[in-house]
Amino acid sequence: EAGVAQSPRYKIIEKRQSVAFWCNPISGHATLYWYQQILGQGPKLLIQFQNNGVVDDSQLPKDRFSAERLKGVDSTLKIQPAKLEDSAVYLCASSVVVETQYFGPGTRLLVL
Amino acid sequence: DAKTTQPPSMDCAEGRAANLPCNHSTISGNEYVYWYRQIHSQGPQYIIHGLKNNETNEMASLIITEDRKSSTLILPHATLRDTAVYYCIVRVRTGTASKLTFGTGTRLQVTL
Repeated sequence: EAGVAQSPRYKIIEKRQSVAFWCNPISGHATLYWYQQILGQGPKLLIQFQNNGVVDDSQLPKDRFSAERLKGVDSTLKIQPAKLEDSAVYLCASSVVVETQYFGPGTRLLVL
Repeated sequence: DAKTTQPPSMDCAEGRAANLPCNHSTISGNEYVYWYRQIHSQGPQYIIHGLKNNETNEMASLIITEDRKSSTLILPHATLRDTAVYYCIVRVRTGTASKLTFGTGTRLQVTL
């Protein structure tokens, strides 16, 4: 089966600019997650969707980050405006059962 | 979710068994132990999980002590492709998909 797809793979922007990331989960996976991974750390959950509804966004910086999952399939994560500390890898994952989350390759963001 | 403690790094010779320890002394009765790994520039990958019995699959074995305060992930014949960061995660299995709380993991280096 096809894995989780993410684009772009790399993005370089200047601070205060906006950026958007796209994720296409594995077909049939109702749960979708966005994680942020700062260099040297483990991934940290930003937001979790169940179909097109938000289950957990407690660690999403809502003043600058937003995410949506229209029609319960693809999802986009946006940062506006970006700060230097947003430099990280943004990982999308999807799951259908509790144990196994399938991760995409991530989008590597550098904010200058 | 219970906190876990892992050594920051380990080395293993190719072809030998890699034994990765994890302490989770505050684990509660309904919390499972999960292992994921992250190869460089890729998203995390599920390996195995267990509650109290030892578990084995095609990737690895999981040994959980009788008091459940620690566990060991065993890669029986490590190869260079097993070089990765290994994350031990403890969480409640609620029956619905939920987030993973990653620590900093153990960086396993497999050498010739």
